[in-house]
Amino acid sequence: DAGITQSPRHKVTETGTPVTLRCHQTENHRYMYWYRQDPGHGLRLIHYSYGVKDTDKGEVSDGYSVSRSKTEDFLLTLESATSSQTSVYFCAISDPDKNTEAFFGQGTRLTVV
Amino acid sequence: GQNIDQPTEMTATEGAIVQINCTYQTSGFNGLFWYQQHAGEAPTFLSYNVLDGLEEKGRFSSFLSRSKGYSYLLLKELQMKDSASYLCAIKAAGNKLTFGGGTRVLVKP
Repeated sequence: DAGITQSPRHKVTETGTPVTLRCHQTENHRYMYWYRQDPGHGLRLIHYSYGVKDTDKGEVSDGYSVSRSKTEDFLLTLESATSSQTSVYFCAISDPDKNTEAFFGQGTRLTVV
Repeated sequence: GQNIDQPTEMTATEGAIVQINCTYQTSGFNGLFWYQQHAGEAPTFLSYNVLDGLEEKGRFSSFLSRSKGYSYLLLKELQMKDSASYLCAIKAAGNKLTFGGGTRVLVKP
């Protein structure tokens, strides 16, 4: 299995609080992605990174920010959590120079109450 | 941007064959992926197509037609453990990876 770890695995937080989710990889892959998965919507791309300090928006980026200060870590921050951000969040990594497919972390279940 | 369509749900019988279609529109194409996802788990890679034609891997095959913006995943000799969601994804320019809504396949005895 690819070395990719998400933390925390589960979190309950209150509306209006900031929340940071962490994705850590040991594969030295260049690309990292954050997705959310909700019933009826599949996996939707929030943000992705193509290198240290290089990030770009996905289709559902409003209300989220990301940072990548090291190759191995990609952080997703909900600046002020809302109930609509209750979801399962998946991180993925890929590197076209090494292999074609993306590998996924185990997911973080976030509940905003 | 990308637009990816696949059926929401399909039901098939154990031992049978099921074909899951995926149609897409994209600006820039660097490959199409199929992933399997069991309930409560992370997606796992099944297949990758970048050129037209059929890729076969055991009981699973995937086909791509770039001119038609069309792919399918063929699952043969269905087993109960194949009950899962199957996700079609497009890799566009810049290695951006976008997924369709997924197809839930229910295998019945």
